[in-house]
Amino acid sequence: SAVISQKPSRDICQRGTSLTIQCQVDSQVTMMFWYRQQPGQSLTLIATANQGSEATYESGFVIDKFPISRPNLTFSTLTVSNMSPEDSSIYLCSVHSGREYNEQFFGPGTRLTVL
Amino acid sequence: GQNIDQPTEMTATEGAIVQINCTYQTSGFNGLFWYQQHAGEAPTFLSYNVLDGLEEKGRFSSFLSRSKGYSYLLLKELQMKDSASYLCAVGDYKLSFGAGTTVTVRA
Repeated sequence: SAVISQKPSRDICQRGTSLTIQCQVDSQVTMMFWYRQQPGQSLTLIATANQGSEATYESGFVIDKFPISRPNLTFSTLTVSNMSPEDSSIYLCSVHSGREYNEQFFGPGTRLTVL
Repeated sequence: GQNIDQPTEMTATEGAIVQINCTYQTSGFNGLFWYQQHAGEAPTFLSYNVLDGLEEKGRFSSFLSRSKGYSYLLLKELQMKDSASYLCAVGDYKLSFGAGTTVTVRA
């Protein structure tokens, strides 16, 4: 199984600022994803982080608000820009294993609170 | 689009069996996943069904009927540590999640 780490694990930020979240995987993976889990809600896919090209965003999410980088096959960043309290959420990266079957692994998450 | 429904909460006694149902309506189907999520932690993978039928993994089993758009997760011999949220998700690489079912196991 893939081991995924995220930094920071949590942060408290002021309205209008930006935060960059890092995701590191212990092996090369083709597909990396960013999800959001708002308080008391389930997970919602933000985007697919593509290595060497622009991320693919889901409906309701845009690059200006959530810029994503994927410089190599083991690392990605998600920036939450111009934050508002509505952005308070847990942000998780995930990777697809695809060895035996379609198993996806999730990172530990970054708990963001915007004041 | 995807519409995935599962009960909000369930309560059961230690040692008992609980069945969590999930119904889905999707524009395409590539597989159904069940995840377990303890409070404050990331989801962990439990099972994956792409063909009809029952998949058994120890105390946990998952069933799929594609024609009915229906799945269930069966938890047997419940233990206190099974108290968690159970998430049903459909997709292949990109997953759409249900709202989750919070299972509380009581002594």
